[in-house]
Amino acid sequence: NAGVTQTPKFRVLKTGQSMTLLCAQDMNHEYMYWYRQDPGMGLRLIHYSVGEGTTAKGEVPDGYNVSRLKKQNFLLGLESAAPSQTSVYFCASSYHSVRSNQPQHFGDGTRLSIL
Amino acid sequence: AQTVTQSQPEMSVQEAETVTLSCTYDTSESDYYLFWYKQPPSRQMILVIRQEAYKQQNATENRFSVNFQKAAKSFSLKISDSQLGDAAMYFCAYRSAFGARQLTFGSGTQLTVLP
Repeated sequence: NAGVTQTPKFRVLKTGQSMTLLCAQDMNHEYMYWYRQDPGMGLRLIHYSVGEGTTAKGEVPDGYNVSRLKKQNFLLGLESAAPSQTSVYFCASSYHSVRSNQPQHFGDGTRLSIL
Repeated sequence: AQTVTQSQPEMSVQEAETVTLSCTYDTSESDYYLFWYKQPPSRQMILVIRQEAYKQQNATENRFSVNFQKAAKSFSLKISDSQLGDAAMYFCAYRSAFGARQLTFGSGTQLTVLP
């Protein structure tokens, strides 16, 4: 009963390096999301996807790219990491229906530090 | 765009007492959902309670209840008989009833439970 799994759990990068964060869900959810959490600011939406092969920008998309080649996976990429991207990253997923009060299911987060 | 405001960065409560966390939101939509999430030091995002905007009755989940005032755009969380395990960061979140249904979060309230 894995739910939403994020890898890695923590990572340290140097400025300018690239990396990809992986989110995998086993609940057959259509919607997937990437958030970042910074002190005093709550969670903010980076990108999201409403289905396989589709992605859209959220509130803070600059410096990030995403891909959803498979329904169960949602990848978040940093092409050239910057210190401002030091944060905790959360992936979430949820069902789709015409009307839904189903909550989003969250992964355990990835702590990313950019030196 | 919707905004969510939590005006209490920190709160404390004596064990077994009752505490209320405040949340206000701004939206032009009439149909939406509201959530309270708990984030303990483990960093997990745990759903505490949810409220549908079209329901006048306030949601309750065991020791947790909300006071939903739609006209005032207020959504407070009451924790009764506080326990040490309730100590965590609490986030209020808004979600549209339609569209991609991403969550908009407040900045959080850090709750300390005193023994």
